[in-house]
Amino acid sequence: NAGVTQTPKFQVLKTGQSMTLQCAQDMNHEYMSWYRQDPGMGLRLIHYSVGAGITDQGEVPNGYNVSRSTTEDFPLRLLSAAPSQTSVYFCASSRGHTLAGEQYFGPGTRLTVT
Amino acid sequence: GENVEQHPSTLSVQEGDSAVIKCTYSDSASNYFPWYKQELGKRPQLIIDIRSNVGEKKDQRIAVTLNKTAKHFSLHITETQPEDSAVYFCAASKPGNQFYFGTGTSLTVIP
Repeated sequence: NAGVTQTPKFQVLKTGQSMTLQCAQDMNHEYMSWYRQDPGMGLRLIHYSVGAGITDQGEVPNGYNVSRSTTEDFPLRLLSAAPSQTSVYFCASSRGHTLAGEQYFGPGTRLTVT
Repeated sequence: GENVEQHPSTLSVQEGDSAVIKCTYSDSASNYFPWYKQELGKRPQLIIDIRSNVGEKKDQRIAVTLNKTAKHFSLHITETQPEDSAVYFCAASKPGNQFYFGTGTSLTVIP
């Protein structure tokens, strides 16, 4: 198993550009989520999904969209990048959503918006 | 929503000493409390977790205690080693699986 994979590893965007961060897992996990990690602020939940076709907002959803058309994939879209979105983005997955359990994190995407 | 506070933000200990990191949470419905270790430039990885029906859990040199009444839980690392140096995050989760993380503790173990 590859576990949770993310692409790209690094990305530089100009203000106003759009892009999609890719996330995939091969563990048949129901639950997937996106976090951003900023210095001194821990991991903050952006969006999450409890299964294909179902998504919901987390703590900091503004400026981001998600979709979950398959169990495996959970892409994160930045519609119009802003410098405040400079961060490290982690995707995570876990087996179920009715009983919380270990989250497996991807390797992260370091995004810089200039 | 849930609010998780973590202290201290930085911690330095001598090799062989113990380290304790504390977290508080606000939502009494939270019932799952994991601890993650993140080495520099790496992804967070689970090191230990506890559910609300248990007061303490141990795994070799690592232990977690939970006080549901006071809404706090702590990570204890005994006999610290240089490889324990990392950032540690606590988290709280409730049914529906939204995770709320603390702001992290940077642990340095001095040889």
